[in-house]
Amino acid sequence: DAGITQSPRHKVTETGTPVTLRCHQTENHRYMYWYRQDPGHGLRLIHYSYGVKDTDKGEVSDGYSVSRSKTEDFLLTLESATSSQTSVYFCAISEVRGAGNQPQHFGDGTRLSIL
Amino acid sequence: GNSVTQMEGPVTLSEEAFLTINCTYTATGYPSLFWYVQYPGEGLQLLLKATKADDKGSNKGFEATYRKETTSFHLEKGSVQVSDSAVYFCALRGNNDMRFGAGTRLTVKP
Repeated sequence: DAGITQSPRHKVTETGTPVTLRCHQTENHRYMYWYRQDPGHGLRLIHYSYGVKDTDKGEVSDGYSVSRSKTEDFLLTLESATSSQTSVYFCAISEVRGAGNQPQHFGDGTRLSIL
Repeated sequence: GNSVTQMEGPVTLSEEAFLTINCTYTATGYPSLFWYVQYPGEGLQLLLKATKADDKGSNKGFEATYRKETTSFHLEKGSVQVSDSAVYFCALRGNNDMRFGAGTRLTVKP
């Protein structure tokens, strides 16, 4: 299994509070991704990173920010959580992005509930 | 843009039955195609992949063939087991992004 650790694994919080999810990898892969998984939607990309301090938006980036200060860590922040952000969040990593034939490897997910 | 459509579930089969989960895609260029499997409480695990037309990916008895003429990548297994119960995702990787289908939940009963 790819060395990907997500923390926390579960979190319950209230609307309007800030939340930060952490993804830590031990594979030294360049690319890291944050997805959310919702019934009927599969996985949707929130943000991704292609190197330290290099990030870009995915298809559902509104309300989320990310930071990558070290190769191994990719943080996802909800500045002011809303109930629509209740979801399961997955981190993924890959060696390259442009080649197209490299799979992504996933962490075990963080279940976030916003009340 | 790129997109993936897979058959809606849930799918319920008896052990040793034949499995097909349909997946079709829309893409520009020459994408790579993947099937991932997700067991309860876990992340997605790569099941198999195909990187060009007519390639067949296979793993653990599962197979899928990259059909460019029908833009399809259907997942098949000849004899399912209870342990195959999971959610299966078809995915496409283009030059700049990866797109997932909505997932198909498979339940195999003894």
